[in-house]
Amino acid sequence: AQSVTQLGSHVSVSEGALVLLRCNYSSSVPPYLFWYVQYPNQGLQLLLKYTSAATLVKGINGFEAEFKKSETSFHLTKPSAHMSDAAEYFCAVSKDQGGSEKLVFGKGTKLTVNP
Amino acid sequence: DAGVTQSPTHLIKTRGQQVTLRCSPKSGHDTVSWYQQALGQGPQFIFQYYEEEERQRGNFPDRFSGHQFPNYSSELNVNALLLGDSALYLCASSSLGLNEQFFGPGTRLTVL
Repeated sequence: AQSVTQLGSHVSVSEGALVLLRCNYSSSVPPYLFWYVQYPNQGLQLLLKYTSAATLVKGINGFEAEFKKSETSFHLTKPSAHMSDAAEYFCAVSKDQGGSEKLVFGKGTKLTVNP
Repeated sequence: DAGVTQSPTHLIKTRGQQVTLRCSPKSGHDTVSWYQQALGQGPQFIFQYYEEEERQRGNFPDRFSGHQFPNYSSELNVNALLLGDSALYLCASSSLGLNEQFFGPGTRLTVL
């Protein structure tokens, strides 16, 4: 079975500060890991995904995440927060990098960016 | 490219009623997955359709059923609605094994 735990349901940062959203996974098979963002009243948009090609993954909007097998983690970071980054972020795990297998999501972390 | 579209946007039903939600996949995609996102929670997988067959199913009761049409569009049906069925229902499309799942904007279902 696969699962994801996101530490911190709410994170608040100042504009220009570092963003760090935490995700730990559990998987009995090599995992494929994803970060999605959800803006209010919208669906999910893929930020980045880990597919075993490289442990440091760069995504859209300046976000990146590092896969650490020894820590079973896939934390999302952005060096400098922007007001437009305020949204809910979901980490997800799957057995497949494509659309063949279900995504198992964490409960999400709501990011607030203060001016 | 219109992306993944869902209808209706919002829906209000009463307990015991039945509801049908619709999804049109992104152009070129043949696989449709449905997820339920309760308030304050992450999306949960309901089922996936490929070649008009249910390919995978999550831990949801038989009240939840679906269908995929030859043009790859899909419907999600929920019978005997419960208050706990109130949620955002998300549809995601993909090409089997070739790329990530693209999500639609969702249908917000409220059961009174």
